[in-house]
Amino acid sequence: RKEVEQDPGPFNVPEGATVAFNCTYSNSASQSFFWYRQDCRKEPKLLMSVYSSGNEDGRFTAQLNRASQYISLLIRDSKLSDSATYLCVVMNNAGKSTFGDGTTLTVKP
Amino acid sequence: NAGVTQTPKFQVLKTGQSMTLQCAQDMNHNSMYWYRQDPGMGLRLIYYSASEGTTDKGEVPNGYNVSRLNKREFSLRLESAAPSQTSVYFCASSAHQVLETQYFGPGTRLLVL
Repeated sequence: RKEVEQDPGPFNVPEGATVAFNCTYSNSASQSFFWYRQDCRKEPKLLMSVYSSGNEDGRFTAQLNRASQYISLLIRDSKLSDSATYLCVVMNNAGKSTFGDGTTLTVKP
Repeated sequence: NAGVTQTPKFQVLKTGQSMTLQCAQDMNHNSMYWYRQDPGMGLRLIYYSASEGTTDKGEVPNGYNVSRLNKREFSLRLESAAPSQTSVYFCASSAHQVLETQYFGPGTRLLVL
């Protein structure tokens, strides 16, 4: 079983739709959690960190469920510019990051 | 402020050749990382350096060596390239190792024939 698992998609949604991605992790001692965005053939860039209390940044909401060992990302009112691959990242208490394989989102007009 | 820079951007090698990928950051970060990304997959950690003077193996270190030359620079060396090392290589840095955002360079696309 992979340490970090994501549904690869692709998710194809119309503009304005709400879409949610989940990510599960196997190491219960994991310390930090992040969502990164990666555009085609570009480097990953931080989208948001994920906190136990949940956090929101505009149209994006991230949640962490430590008991069930999953994190989620919700995108509301999807824009064409949201089309990208979304990477779930889990960091252990030694600072080692493990990336999921990514979920591809395509937002269509 | 250039952030994280990598050279070269592209490279083609023949099997058995050696090369060094260069990475530098100007953000005064303590920790630096080397990842590889194969098509359709996430990033896998090759080596990392928690601070100047230290390096540790990541998930896929075989066939690679690293040098943390100073606080700014972290190089990755392929001593004898193999076709299985065809990949995109990303360097990253963070202020500290734990809990910190990683900032990535633009990547080096390597093809080994």
